[in-house]
Amino acid sequence: GQNIDQPTEMTATEGAIVQINCTYQTSGFNGLFWYQQHAGEAPTFLSYNVLDGLEEKGRFSSFLSRSKGYSYLLLKELQMKDSASYLCAVPDSNYQLIWGAGTKLIIKP
Amino acid sequence: SAVISQKPSRDICQRGTSLTIQCQVDSQVTMMFWYRQQPGQSLTLIATANQGSEATYESGFVIDKFPISRPNLTFSTLTVSNMSPEDSSIYLCSVGTGGDHNEQFFGPGTRLTVL
Repeated sequence: GQNIDQPTEMTATEGAIVQINCTYQTSGFNGLFWYQQHAGEAPTFLSYNVLDGLEEKGRFSSFLSRSKGYSYLLLKELQMKDSASYLCAVPDSNYQLIWGAGTKLIIKP
Repeated sequence: SAVISQKPSRDICQRGTSLTIQCQVDSQVTMMFWYRQQPGQSLTLIATANQGSEATYESGFVIDKFPISRPNLTFSTLTVSNMSPEDSSIYLCSVGTGGDHNEQFFGPGTRLTVL
C-alpha cells in the first residue's frame, strides 16, 4: 500500500531554521510535492522533487532521497508568517496525489 | 498557474438539504479534482471530475451523495446531497497542470457547516 508519515506538530523560534521530515512508501515513484497551507486557506504549491538531492528556493529548500523514501523541507530565517501546516504529497500510479496528514508549524517570537 | 474561483465561499445549511459548489478556472485544464478537508485533517480526495463522462469516485464516496458535473474544461460543480452534520467540512476544487510536474493548484475552498 501507500503511506506517508510526517510529524503532527513542530515549534520553532523566529529567525531560526526548522526541518520538517516526510517518509513515504509507494509502489513506483513519480516525484514528491510540498505544499503550505495557512489556517483557513487553500494549500499552495511550494516544491517538487523527483531526483535525489537538495532543491533550494529562497528561504525554503526541499531534499529527497529516493532510496530511503525520505524527504525534508528546510525553512531558514523563520518568520511569523511561516506559521502554517506543511503537507507532503506523492502521486500514485494514476498521478493522483496521496497526501500526508500535514505538519503544523508554530513559530514563536 | 491557473486562477481558480469557488462559489459559495461559505454556507450554513440545514440537515437534509443539498448544496451545489461551483468551481471556475480561468483556462482550460484537463484534470479537475474535488477534495474534502475536515477540521485539523489533511486532504481527502472525493473524486476526479472528467469532462464529458462520469466522475471517478474514491473509495467511500458515491455519486448519489456527491454528484459531480464537468460540462467543459473550465468548470465543474460538486453537490453535497442530503446533508448531515458529518458533512461539515471545507470542500476544495483543484486542477492539475498536466506538465512535467503535474502539480495541483487549489481554489480558495468552500466552508460548509451543516446544522
